[in-house]
Amino acid sequence: DAGVTQSPTHLIKTRGQQVTLRCSPISGHKSVSWYQQVLGQGPQFIFQYYEKEERGRGNFPDRFSARQFPNYSSELNVNALLLGDSALYLCASSAEWGTDTQYFGPGTRLTVL
Amino acid sequence: GENVEQHPSTLSVQEGDSAVIKCTYSDSASNYFPWYKQELGKRPQLIIDIRSNVGEKKDQRIAVTLNKTAKHFSLHITETQPEDSAVYFCAASNTGTASKLTFGTGTRLQVTL
Repeated sequence: DAGVTQSPTHLIKTRGQQVTLRCSPISGHKSVSWYQQVLGQGPQFIFQYYEKEERGRGNFPDRFSARQFPNYSSELNVNALLLGDSALYLCASSAEWGTDTQYFGPGTRLTVL
Repeated sequence: GENVEQHPSTLSVQEGDSAVIKCTYSDSASNYFPWYKQELGKRPQLIIDIRSNVGEKKDQRIAVTLNKTAKHFSLHITETQPEDSAVYFCAASNTGTASKLTFGTGTRLQVTL
């Protein structure tokens, strides 16, 4: 789990702006999932990617999008930021799609003012 | 979709005592149940997991039990130590059709001296 990296660690944006968050999975892992964790709550599933294809999408608006690159790293994009988008965004990697064990990165703390 | 309920929301025990956290899930197709520990400002760390073909699993002071009929699973921590203080999340997923984790709302465990 120590191998999942995310950048940046912290980010401050204003309403209406756009943000891109980045994730590098554990070496050899092919699947990346994104979660949103609002303060005081459990992580909520946003997207899962495997082999550059979207394999799952949570109940989030179309302002949220993501992609996975040939090296299995991933980006999460959020457009037209709202105050309610302020949260810790976590990336998790797993070896294969349908493989259970997911290891989380340190997260990106997004604050929307 | 899957819904995971977790109790209690807060738990205070004395050092050396045992702690038990309980979760129930709604989707009978769920077959993988991990537990994560999250310290303040840190990433969720996988501490133990169990699959639906197993009723109990132990790892030193930590154990998890699963009752598929009742659709509930529990985390047991024995001989608690101050460093066990953290927020614990249970989760469930169906690895056959998707790997997304559905999390409980978390239990804040405080181990007092």
